[in-house]
Amino acid sequence: GEDVEQSLFLSVREGDSSVINCTYTDSSSTYLYWYKQEPGAGLQLLTYIFSNMDMKQDQRLTVLLNKKDKHLSLRIADTQTGDSAIYFCAENNFNKFYFGSGTKLNVKP
Amino acid sequence: GAVVSQHPSWVICKSGTSVKIECRSLDFQATTMFWYRQFPKQSLMLMATSNEGSKATYEQGVEKDKFLINHASLTLSTLTVTSAHPEDSSFYICSARDIDRGEYEQYFGPGTRLTVT
Repeated sequence: GEDVEQSLFLSVREGDSSVINCTYTDSSSTYLYWYKQEPGAGLQLLTYIFSNMDMKQDQRLTVLLNKKDKHLSLRIADTQTGDSAIYFCAENNFNKFYFGSGTKLNVKP
Repeated sequence: GAVVSQHPSWVICKSGTSVKIECRSLDFQATTMFWYRQFPKQSLMLMATSNEGSKATYEQGVEKDKFLINHASLTLSTLTVTSAHPEDSSFYICSARDIDRGEYEQYFGPGTRLTVT
């Protein structure tokens, strides 16, 4: 599979912003995604960005894509305790999805 | 819309037995479904791509004779773990692509937790 990397942990206080970073290797990826996984559950699509875009905003979520550096980030504004979960970035390469290792976000009250 | 179900949600089986996991697209048709496995505290690893009416394509390192995939209809794919061993214990997740939508999205099932004793 493709190489998608993320930092493993992030801890923030409720109300702060969270920024989760991801790097990928395949420049031919057409779409890049952020998924959320709560304990024992499947994946929930949060947002995605087409590779020719630099930024996408969706309510509290902002995705930034630096295609030159192959860097993707997810910013969650006003982070809530309910945002505590594992966040995966993924790239779509010829319709196959390759996932990063996941970043565990811990939100302290 | 775009709901994918898996059955069972969890299963415990004895070593040496076979286990079948179903993945269904409930409100859309899916010519392509994908099977992933996830070890505890690790990422999802793509195992194979299941194509309706044809053979599945397996990722490198995945034993096709051990993980049998059948995609008999546009709404159902099955994964059979044959002669299961404790090291096959994992969380298996399927996803499906809606043929009427673009390539950009896959819909994920809730996962099946397999424990082999």
